[in-house]
Amino acid sequence: KAGVTQTPRYLIKTRGQQVTLSCSPISGHRSVSWYQQTPGQGLQFLFEYFSETQRNKGNFPGRFSGRQFSNSRSEMNVSTLELGDSALYLCASSLDGRWGKTEAFFGQGTRLTVV
Amino acid sequence: AQRVTQPEKLLSVFKGAPVELKCNYSYSGSPELFWYVQYSRQRLQLLLRHISRESIKGFTADLNKGETSFHLKKPFAQEEDSAMYYCALSASWGGGYNKLIFGAGTRLAVHP
Repeated sequence: KAGVTQTPRYLIKTRGQQVTLSCSPISGHRSVSWYQQTPGQGLQFLFEYFSETQRNKGNFPGRFSGRQFSNSRSEMNVSTLELGDSALYLCASSLDGRWGKTEAFFGQGTRLTVV
Repeated sequence: AQRVTQPEKLLSVFKGAPVELKCNYSYSGSPELFWYVQYSRQRLQLLLRHISRESIKGFTADLNKGETSFHLKKPFAQEEDSAMYYCALSASWGGGYNKLIFGAGTRLAVHP
């Protein structure tokens, strides 16, 4: 079966702009989490969606937002981009959102560069 | 507070040498711990979980609740083990849901 698909793979944006990233989970998976990956910080949790509802949010400013559609596809949006937002954004899907009980499958990520 | 600490950013060893990647956690409940691995140009993937008590690719990890540690070990490193390794904790919060918390990662470099 197809894995977790993230689009686009690479993105270059200017400070102040906004960006939307997309994640299509594995078919049948209802939970999607987003992480920001940077060399110094590792993976920082952004938020998690399950059946179109945000269940938890990490410690990121309100410029970071997301949503999930009825087909479980998820998008995250970053407004008013800052240089520090440059990172690899990873999406992970899980069958039922019981992270740890069931395996998390990761996408290849979207590399965002803010200039 | 729920936290995962990987004290080493880089671990460099020679082929055939033993490897130990350190992971310590802070969690008040009953922890579920995992090791994820990311090989060059590949996606992050699960290596092993403590509850399975399994050995994957020669790697093992034992949960030590007294020392709040979950170190990853391999007796003889191979060059193909070179990758980024992340320790992760499944932590619960209100509502019965849980999430994965990751450490900062350790890059393992195995030299010939």
